[in-house]
Amino acid sequence: GAVVSQHPSRVICKSGTSVKIECRSLDFQATTMFWYRQFPKQSLMLMATSNEGSKATYEQGVEKDKFLINHASLTLSTLTVTSAHPEDSSFYICSARDRQGGLNSPLHFGNGTRLTVT
Amino acid sequence: GQNIDQPTEMTATEGAIVQINCTYQTSGFNGLFWYQQHAGEAPTFLSYNVLDGLEEKGRFSSFLSRSKGYSYLLLKELQMKDSASYLCAVRPNTGGFKTIFGAGTRLFVKA
Repeated sequence: GAVVSQHPSRVICKSGTSVKIECRSLDFQATTMFWYRQFPKQSLMLMATSNEGSKATYEQGVEKDKFLINHASLTLSTLTVTSAHPEDSSFYICSARDRQGGLNSPLHFGNGTRLTVT
Repeated sequence: GQNIDQPTEMTATEGAIVQINCTYQTSGFNGLFWYQQHAGEAPTFLSYNVLDGLEEKGRFSSFLSRSKGYSYLLLKELQMKDSASYLCAVRPNTGGFKTIFGAGTRLFVKA
């Protein structure tokens, strides 16, 4: 159980274009999903908290107009990288917490999306 | 602010025991998690501690001291497949179940 599906796994796009990444919880409902970014050999950096039916909460330094988050249902959150630039190239990972879980409920991660902007 | 420290790399021998330490300073505390992450893959959950003491789960154990802001992950009977990054993560008391990760410790298990 507790499977999170993330698509696409890899994407290469040209500078200036937009890329949408989907994150789905397959066998549980998630009122909250989290989007992380990870550079090689570095930590997972929390970008934003995606809240079902309301606006996302962005971490300090993350541009909300560049990284658009939509959480339209209890099982789907999307991250759109708008007007992508080479410095946006990174590994993006989504995670979700079972809405029925308590404080001890862990995050369940998708397999990540490797974004390369040329 | 939030600060989580753990060693960058460790090397251990197959069959041995290794302890990976983590210290943290966060705005409140709602628990500490350990995750395992193989290169290019998603992290997988290993353990959770919220009370002081040791939690044992098979070959893996995790310890917490809240007063010291300290945790460790203990791996016994090391296997080659245990070569991975081990991430210490804390859930601060800021609401919303946010989880902050340390930089991870890359463990190399050698024969």
